[in-house]
Amino acid sequence: ELKVEQNPLFLSMQEGKNYTIYCNYSTTSDRLYWYRQDPGKSLESLFVLLSNGAVKQEGRLMASLDTKARLSTLHITAAVHDLSATYFCAVDGRGSTLGRLYFGRGTQLTVWP
Amino acid sequence: DTEVTQTPKHLVMGMTNKKSLKCEQHMGHRAMYWYKQKAKKPPELMFVYSYEKLSINESVPSRFSPECPNSSLLNLHLHALQPEDSALYLCASSQVGVGGWNTGELFFGEGSRLTVL
Repeated sequence: ELKVEQNPLFLSMQEGKNYTIYCNYSTTSDRLYWYRQDPGKSLESLFVLLSNGAVKQEGRLMASLDTKARLSTLHITAAVHDLSATYFCAVDGRGSTLGRLYFGRGTQLTVWP
Repeated sequence: DTEVTQTPKHLVMGMTNKKSLKCEQHMGHRAMYWYKQKAKKPPELMFVYSYEKLSINESVPSRFSPECPNSSLLNLHLHALQPEDSALYLCASSQVGVGGWNTGELFFGEGSRLTVL
């Protein structure tokens, strides 16, 4: 079974600082997703990374995918309080049957003034 | 329209009740999913429907019964639930490619928060 490891699980950072969340997975995959979840809310799609070397940016968040290293990163630039949420990466295993996404445990991000 | 709509948003039920969760999407997606999420945990896949046919059942207890009446609707029928079934139930949908594989991101609904007393 495909394993997805996210770290850190908890991240407390000051506004204005930069940080990176890491997502490692155990077997080959060409598809990786990043989701954001606010407390008590649903999952909001942030990025869909479909190929090796893919890099996507939206505001203060930038995601990248290295399929050879089986690693994705979510980089936060100049954090603001509004980014406080839980971030999940999810991997669609190659050859997996439809819809079987494997989620990491999530990174709970708190941004303080 | 990129929405997945779930009703009800909150549901409280006793262990002997029968209730249903409903999900609707109008994006033309032919794959629909039920996930269960406990607090501070990642979502866990329960069921997948592809072209209105059940394609994945993740060994979910029979007290949960999914139904896909048409390509836009997905129901989850609940009967004789246990308190440990209390969770956020998320519906999602996605496009399906020629090979039957998910071709892109899953769009999630707002979820139905279920409490079983």
